[in-house]
Amino acid sequence: DIQMTQSPSSLSASVGDRVTITCRASQSISSYLNWYQQKPGKAPKLLIYAASSLQSGVPSRFSGSGSGTDFALTVTSLQPEDFATYYCQQSYSTPWTFGQGTKVEIK
Amino acid sequence: QVQLQQSGPGLLKPSQTLSLTCAISGDSVSSKSAAWNWIRQSPSGGLEWLGRTYYRSKWYSDYAVSVQSRITINPDTSKNQFSLYLNSVTPEDTTVYYCARELVSTTSMQECAFDVWGQGTMVTVSS
Repeated sequence: DIQMTQSPSSLSASVGDRVTITCRASQSISSYLNWYQQKPGKAPKLLIYAASSLQSGVPSRFSGSGSGTDFALTVTSLQPEDFATYYCQQSYSTPWTFGQGTKVEIK
Repeated sequence: QVQLQQSGPGLLKPSQTLSLTCAISGDSVSSKSAAWNWIRQSPSGGLEWLGRTYYRSKWYSDYAVSVQSRITINPDTSKNQFSLYLNSVTPEDTTVYYCARELVSTTSMQECAFDVWGQGTMVTVSS
């Protein structure tokens, strides 16, 4: 199975901050990497697919980058509604696997 | 707009079979550009993919090794839904279960993502 490791596990930030979350795969996954946002009590929501493609309806302050084994999700100006937990997921090969999550909290 | 609506019991006794259904609206369970997945989330937040079913001229299913001996995911074309069956449950199966559509690119099967999710079902296994 491909292991996905996110860092940090949590971070504190203020509204307006630029935030970057990283995700590392245990082997090369090309650009087959997705990012999700989850709020308490809700299902995850797709933000970014294929490493850098923005899902329809997702604000442009979210962006993704990377290929191979190292990826990043960046939020350019954090908004109050962005405080949530973020997960990466590889779609290179089954079993599909997720990172452990990064919780973004209000500073 | 595609929507997934989950249903099924939330309380089971050990050794029973977990049975959840995911009703699809706005898409077809037989779609050749989608796969229909079950994912669960542990109390600590970890997401675990359990398996999927999909149609590509015939029906296929893939399952996670961790549950492979206990799981079945079946499509129901007459009701446009799919179901999860997990037998011999234990308290370790207590968690939230989600169904999700995996939308697949027309150019690459690996370019896929879970773009629509059900509302989630909390399942508790307790004697």
